[in-house]
Amino acid sequence: RKEVEQDPGPFNVPEGATVAFNCTYSNSASQSFFWYRQDCRKEPKLLMSVYSSGNEDGRFTAQLNRASQYISLLIRDSKLSDSATYLCVVNAGGTSYGKLTFGQGTILTVHP
Amino acid sequence: DGGITQSPKYLFRKEGQNVTLSCEQNLNHDAMYWYRQDPGQGLRLIYYSQIVNDFQKGDIAEGYSVSREKKESFPLTVTSAQKNPTAFYLCASSPGQGRPYEQYFGPGTRLTVT
Repeated sequence: RKEVEQDPGPFNVPEGATVAFNCTYSNSASQSFFWYRQDCRKEPKLLMSVYSSGNEDGRFTAQLNRASQYISLLIRDSKLSDSATYLCVVNAGGTSYGKLTFGQGTILTVHP
Repeated sequence: DGGITQSPKYLFRKEGQNVTLSCEQNLNHDAMYWYRQDPGQGLRLIYYSQIVNDFQKGDIAEGYSVSREKKESFPLTVTSAQKNPTAFYLCASSPGQGRPYEQYFGPGTRLTVT
């Protein structure tokens, strides 16, 4: 089983749609969770951290379910500029200070 | 402006040659990381360093070497022992204390070895 698994995608949605990405992780000791966005041939950029209580940043909402070891990202009112690959990222936990594990990513294409 | 710089953006080398990729940050971050990304795959950790003069192997360290002589700099050498060196190499840094897991990336170096 991979340490971090994401929806395979790709997702193709019209502008204005709501889209959700799911991610599961295998290390129950993981304590920090993130969503990164990566544009084509560019570096990943931190989109948002994911907190236990869930958190929202504008059109983006992240949820964490520790019992199920599951993370989600919801994008409302999709824009053309949201087209990118979304990476689910989890810290290794334990003594592996700062070590992150990245999912393979889910490709999102928003079309007019 | 604070940030992470990587140079060069594109690098071409012949098989059998060692090559060093540069990574510099002026964010005063304690920790620095090197990743490799292959097409259609996630990032894989090569090496990381939490403080100056200390570094640890990541998941795919074979064929690579690093140094951390200054807080701002974390160069990566791809040696001739690395069997499949062609990839997109990304350097990252994180604040360390307080927010140890938030990592910020440089623009990357695309290495092609023929």
